[in-house]
Amino acid sequence: QSALTQPRSVSGSPGQSVTISCTGTSSDVGGYNYVSWYQQHPGKAPKIMIYDVNQRPSGVPDRFSGSKSGNTASLTISGLQAEDEADYYCCSYAGTSFIFGGGTKLTVL
Amino acid sequence: EVQLVESGGGLLQPGGSLRLSCAASGFTFSTYRMHWVRQAPGKGLVWVSSVDRDGSNARYVDSVKGRFTISRDNAKNTLYLQMNSLRAEDSAVYYCARDGGGLSLWGQGTLVTVSS
Repeated sequence: QSALTQPRSVSGSPGQSVTISCTGTSSDVGGYNYVSWYQQHPGKAPKIMIYDVNQRPSGVPDRFSGSKSGNTASLTISGLQAEDEADYYCCSYAGTSFIFGGGTKLTVL
Repeated sequence: EVQLVESGGGLLQPGGSLRLSCAASGFTFSTYRMHWVRQAPGKGLVWVSSVDRDGSNARYVDSVKGRFTISRDNAKNTLYLQMNSLRAEDSAVYYCARDGGGLSLWGQGTLVTVSS
């Protein structure tokens, strides 16, 4: 039950696009289409941004998109805005459990 | 209002026990699988446990198996986490979360600190 692998940090300027990767194994990310992404601002509870690899809940801007290839899932944020600066976590179903990634700090320059 | 409210956190010594509660409101609690997720200070999210809609199929992360028990009372719209034999490494904010299109609803969390 090792954490999924995410880059510790990414950054981008307002208006640019960034992609955060999330690498697992064939037992989790690669084995199921149940990858979700969460945004967490300091001192706040996480908020879901993407579920089932590429589904966006109502109320989440279409600037956020998700994809998956093999054992790696990705979250892309286009048209970066200042309020996107936060920690982002991926999560995957793993058969009998769930596994989160270690988290990625997004800095908007 | 659709919400989850955790309670029961606190400061206790290693080896102690604690029961966390998560009160659900504004939605039909009994139709959702529920989870506990924790976050140690300055660290990432860790899935702890989940339970199906009817209280069956309780699942746990390896580090808490045999020490923690998840349960629910659908009549009271409440999720529980009984934590026994607590260790310093169990110190964290504990969140309950509703499963439905990912973990679609989270509570504000309750802090558990295990220290001598």
